[in-house]
Amino acid sequence: SQTIHQWPATLVQPVGSPLSLECTVEGTSNPNLYWYRQAAGRGLQLLFYSVGIGQISSEVPQNLSASRPQDRQFILSSKKLLLSDSGFYLCAWSVRGTSLETQYFGPGTRLLVL
Amino acid sequence: AQTVTQSQPEMSVQEAETVTLSCTYDTSESNYYLFWYKQPPSRQMILVIRQEAYKQQNATENRFSVNFQKAAKSFSLKISDSQLGDTAMYFCAFIAASGTYKYIFGTGTRLKVLA
Repeated sequence: SQTIHQWPATLVQPVGSPLSLECTVEGTSNPNLYWYRQAAGRGLQLLFYSVGIGQISSEVPQNLSASRPQDRQFILSSKKLLLSDSGFYLCAWSVRGTSLETQYFGPGTRLLVL
Repeated sequence: AQTVTQSQPEMSVQEAETVTLSCTYDTSESNYYLFWYKQPPSRQMILVIRQEAYKQQNATENRFSVNFQKAAKSFSLKISDSQLGDTAMYFCAFIAASGTYKYIFGTGTRLKVLA
């Protein structure tokens, strides 16, 4: 069966510090990968998605970036965090082009920027 | 552009009762997928149910069922025999079957099940 991991689960960082959040998927090949951000009590904001190694599509211009160094690894980064980067970050995967098209989410990372 | 609308920001239901959450969407696509996700206080997003647009039969998963009205572009979720553990935020989502990789989510409905 497929599983998706995210770490860390919780992170408290000072403004101006770098960020690296990691997401890995097990049990599937060539998944589509996604990063979302969610403010408390709000909906999901798509940040990045990737359909293959090294292929990144950005949805929101900001100080965040994403990379996909391996087929089942997706990394969210920042060189200098802003207060507004605080939120709940969700990684998700899906397999495109099949009748089983469905998006599955990781457990999320709570980020607090102080 | 596709959109998903959840017009009920908050709802409440008594334990053991039935509740229906509304979702409407807008698309020019003929083939697509629709989903309901549950987000409990832990904030883990959990797939509740999915519907393929080309299937006329409404999907059912235990106490959860949908009323899919393709012509009306409506996709409501019915929860029967509500339980305290159903208390959560519920999101409706859409993706076209081709031409895009992006899922479109509604703004969510906060459901509280009362003891």
